[in-house]
Amino acid sequence: DTEVTQTPKHLVMGMTNKKSLKCEQHMGHRAMYWYKQKAKKPPELMFVYSYEKLSINESVPSRFSPECPNSSLLNLHLHALQPEDSALYLCASSLAGSTDTQYFGPGTRLTVL
Amino acid sequence: GEDVEQSLFLSVREGDSSVINCTYTDSSSTYLYWYKQEPGAGLQLLTYIFSNMDMKQDQRLTVLLNKKDKHLSLRIADTQTGDSAIYFCAESILSGGYNKLIFGAGTRLAVHP
Repeated sequence: DTEVTQTPKHLVMGMTNKKSLKCEQHMGHRAMYWYKQKAKKPPELMFVYSYEKLSINESVPSRFSPECPNSSLLNLHLHALQPEDSALYLCASSLAGSTDTQYFGPGTRLTVL
Repeated sequence: GEDVEQSLFLSVREGDSSVINCTYTDSSSTYLYWYKQEPGAGLQLLTYIFSNMDMKQDQRLTVLLNKKDKHLSLRIADTQTGDSAIYFCAESILSGGYNKLIFGAGTRLAVHP
């Protein structure tokens, strides 16, 4: 099973709202990732967690706050977003270190009004 | 520098072979990947090749790697309408002690009857 699940599938939020995106995998992977993908563009890396610790933050604004409560779950907390943050947010996981193949979830389509 | 380039669009007739090309710049790439993305969906791993290989075949998919020219190609035999999607080439490179994926812009494959 190479499945990464993400909820919700779609999310519409106002600029003053607080919301969270969730990602889950049960493949025993110990590295998890958040990517942002704008329309007609490739995914851009935001964060990497390795063994539940934040390893990489690609200079992402603080209105995006990641959290890894355990090895199977990855959250992305959203607060005071801007309309330009509207995008497809993709979660991925890999077996252990970052050299391993990344498997992606279906994404959450976020619209900020 | 890190750069992956792909042609943006390819149109083929159903039943023909499709060849999607990709060039990359970092000679230290460990793995090279092909991902498929259908409209509104996440990235599906299609296949990957280790940098010391020159060919990999998996059913209808053939990956060719020319490491000297830093050129990667994906051939899809007997292309079907279900193959219509965006195909991303990605290289895995070492950056700050971490292997990160660098994606190309994606090639949109259109399959027509």
